[in-house]
Amino acid sequence: NAGVTQTPKFQVLKTGQSMTLQCAQDMNHNSMYWYRQDPGMGLRLIYYSASEGTTDKGEVPNGYNVSRLNKREFSLRLESAAPSQTSVYFCASRGSSGELFFGEGSRLTVL
Amino acid sequence: EDQVTQSPEALRLQEGESSSLNCSYTVSGLRGLFWYRQDPGKGPEFLFTLYSAGEEKEKERLKATLTKKESFLHITAPKPEDSATYLCAVQAFEMDSSYKLIFGSGTRLLVRP
Repeated sequence: NAGVTQTPKFQVLKTGQSMTLQCAQDMNHNSMYWYRQDPGMGLRLIYYSASEGTTDKGEVPNGYNVSRLNKREFSLRLESAAPSQTSVYFCASRGSSGELFFGEGSRLTVL
Repeated sequence: EDQVTQSPEALRLQEGESSSLNCSYTVSGLRGLFWYRQDPGKGPEFLFTLYSAGEEKEKERLKATLTKKESFLHITAPKPEDSATYLCAVQAFEMDSSYKLIFGSGTRLLVRP
């Protein structure tokens, strides 16, 4: 059982470049989330999708866009990467009891 | 403002030395409090959910408790494999149907053999 799968696991970008982080879950969950994790700041919500076809901003949405492609897939796009977006990004889906299932993370460095 | 604070930031224990991690929170209305474990280079892994003051949950050497202002994660006779970062998160009642968790910064636990 794969759970939540994120790609790529590592990425290095130059300032101004764009990229998309991919996320897929195989648990038939309705809600999916994108978080970023920075040292000393905990996990912060970027965007979430309560159900297929809907997306909403979280705590730190600036500089990001998302697409809920279907029930399984939720992608995060950086249109013009900035050094402040250097972080570890986690995708998650929500189970029936409210618990979140996280992917392994995508480590992004912006030079 | 809704807030979650975890203490200590780091904790070193000898194998078998029991201790507790603290998660204090201020939210307008608590819907649930969650504990996660995170190993280096991995995503957080769900441990417990607590919904109301007085509730307790146990799993192996871990026991989570909840009061109206804080939660404790008690670790009894820890083993080196319990070394990880433990994250606390709260869900507040929202006016809309959104589901948002507020995470603390975590406690890094190191258990030495």
